[in-house]
Amino acid sequence: KAGVTQTPRYLIKTRGQQVTLSCSPISGHRSVSWYQQTPGQGLQFLFEYFSETQRNKGNFPGRFSGRQFSNSRSEMNVSTLELGDSALYLCASSLASAADTQYFGPGTRLTVL
Amino acid sequence: AQSVTQLGSHVSVSEGALVLLRCNYSSSVPPYLFWYVQYPNQGLQLLLKYTTGATLVKGINGFEAEFKKSETSFHLTKPSAHMSDAAEYFCAVSESVSGNQFYFGTGTSLTVIP
Repeated sequence: KAGVTQTPRYLIKTRGQQVTLSCSPISGHRSVSWYQQTPGQGLQFLFEYFSETQRNKGNFPGRFSGRQFSNSRSEMNVSTLELGDSALYLCASSLASAADTQYFGPGTRLTVL
Repeated sequence: AQSVTQLGSHVSVSEGALVLLRCNYSSSVPPYLFWYVQYPNQGLQLLLKYTTGATLVKGINGFEAEFKKSETSFHLTKPSAHMSDAAEYFCAVSESVSGNQFYFGTGTSLTVIP
């Protein structure tokens, strides 16, 4: 079974631009979660999508948004990029419930200049 | 609010020595507990998890963890450290009432000294 894939793996943007990251979950998984990882803040939860609906949301500004498609693939968008948005963005997929293991992709490394 | 505390952001052990990484959580409902490992420039890989049943959980690569409800702890251990165990380790908690939202600890960087 193929794992979680994320594209692109690396991205360089400048302040004020917007960016879209993509995540393809493991086949059969309906839940997709997004995390931001930085050296200072660690792993922070952004949001979770389940069956095309946002089920949980972390404490991030509205510049961070996401969506999920009918095939469970998910995209995350960040508008008006700031220097502090530089981070590793991780996507994780799971079957459905809180007891299910989340399987992580390799991440997208975003650098904002 | 849910919180996860990992005591010791950096732990060093000698090769062959016991590995002990600490994790404490706060939860008002029965939690689901996970340990993940992250190697440089990679995503997170599940080591083990506790959902229900036996409180001593065995995972991959010789790691195990014990859920102690009275101490709200889920410490990770390995009897004998190997050089390949050097990595970042994260404890995570989810709750049945929160969908599939994980709360992560700040991580512990494990160094293995030859």
